[in-house]
Amino acid sequence: DAKTTQPTSMDCAEGRAANLPCNHSTISGNEYVYWYRQIHSQGPQYIIHGLKNNETNEMASLIITEDRKSSTLILPHATLRDTAVYYCIVRGNYGNNRLAFGKGNQVVVIP
Amino acid sequence: EAGVAQSPRYKIIEKRQSVAFWCNPISGHATLYWYQQILGQGPKLLIQFQNNGVVDDSQLPKDRFSAERLKGVDSTLKIQPAKLEDSAVYLCASSPARTQIGNSPLHFGNGTRLTVT
Repeated sequence: DAKTTQPTSMDCAEGRAANLPCNHSTISGNEYVYWYRQIHSQGPQYIIHGLKNNETNEMASLIITEDRKSSTLILPHATLRDTAVYYCIVRGNYGNNRLAFGKGNQVVVIP
Repeated sequence: EAGVAQSPRYKIIEKRQSVAFWCNPISGHATLYWYQQILGQGPKLLIQFQNNGVVDDSQLPKDRFSAERLKGVDSTLKIQPAKLEDSAVYLCASSPARTQIGNSPLHFGNGTRLTVT
């Protein structure tokens, strides 16, 4: 099901912006880009989602390229509590709207 | 608002025994999901309910797994009989959407960790 490609792992510096990349070259016009994260022993936590436009909320910003084939999740000021597995997911709006998780990107914030 | 509640938090059973998990979604949420997460993997959808009707159970091993959502609110997931490979975290999620489901985020509980010995 997974239609996205993410790094397996990455490190980020505490206090700096963390830029998490995701490729979704086969995305179709009515599919959303979703980001979740999962901290050890907890359920996945919703971060943000978008269709075409860039989105921002209290947790993060989502930058989607104009051709929609890739996106970047930006955590503006990474803290140690942002250490988690981050999942980038493409999800349809109608018909097959399954939220299908891949293996994710293990992000470690380093002091 | 209260989050998705799941119980029990942990369960240890022997193979061939039965087990049931309970989920109480966020109040007013129409859609409810059960996911299975095996160690080291991302969660995998088992079943999706819209109110109390099944929308997607294509990945549910129906020979041993069953689920129901009573009165469109709480839900239970049962495994009978359990196998060693059923050891996993079972996650429940809900979302408010009745239409445009793909535009409605899922909110997850913290899951039930099942160990089958």
